Amino acid sequence: KAGVTQTPRYLIKTRGQQVTLSCSPISGHRSVSWYQQTPGQGLQFLFEYFSETQRNKGNFPGRFSGRQFSNSRSEMNVSTLELGDSALYLCASSLDPGGIYEQYFGPGTRLTVT
Amino acid sequence: KQEVTQIPAALSVPEGENLVLNCSFTDSAIYNLQWFRQDPGKGLTSLLLIQSSQREQTSGRLNASLDKSSGRSTLYIAASQPGDSATYLCAVDGNTGKLIFGQGTTLQVKP
Repeated sequence: KAGVTQTPRYLIKTRGQQVTLSCSPISGHRSVSWYQQTPGQGLQFLFEYFSETQRNKGNFPGRFSGRQFSNSRSEMNVSTLELGDSALYLCASSLDPGGIYEQYFGPGTRLTVT
Repeated sequence: KQEVTQIPAALSVPEGENLVLNCSFTDSAIYNLQWFRQDPGKGLTSLLLIQSSQREQTSGRLNASLDKSSGRSTLYIAASQPGDSATYLCAVDGNTGKLIFGQGTTLQVKP
């Protein structure tokens, strides 16, 4: 079974631009979560989607948004990029939401904002 | 507010040694605790998931324990190998689907 895939793997953007990252969960997984990883803050939760609905949201500004499609694939968007948005963005999928099931992470998208 | 702490931040051991990584959390109302491994520049690999009703889980040379009442978990690695070198992260879930991570322990196993 294929793992979680994320595209693109690397991105370089300029301040003020916007970016869209994509995540395809493991087949059959219906819950998708997004995390931001930086050297200073570590791993921080962005949001979780299930059945095309955002279930939970972390403490990030409104410039960070996401959505989930009917096939469980998810995208996250960051508008008006800032230098501090440079990070590794990780997507995780699980069978269902809540804490019963293991979360499986993708390889991440490395975003560099210049 | 849940906080997760991992000590030590870094650990270096000779090959073959058994070792223990520690994870503590401030709020015992967790649903599960998960241990992950991260290689430099890569994503996270799930190692073990312990439900709140369980005391431990084992996978190969790895054994994770959970003591909810004291807010602690340990990851025991037996007979360490150079390939075990990585950053190990623990994360707790309060049944929200939101994982709260520790800062990780970076392990180096020297041949």
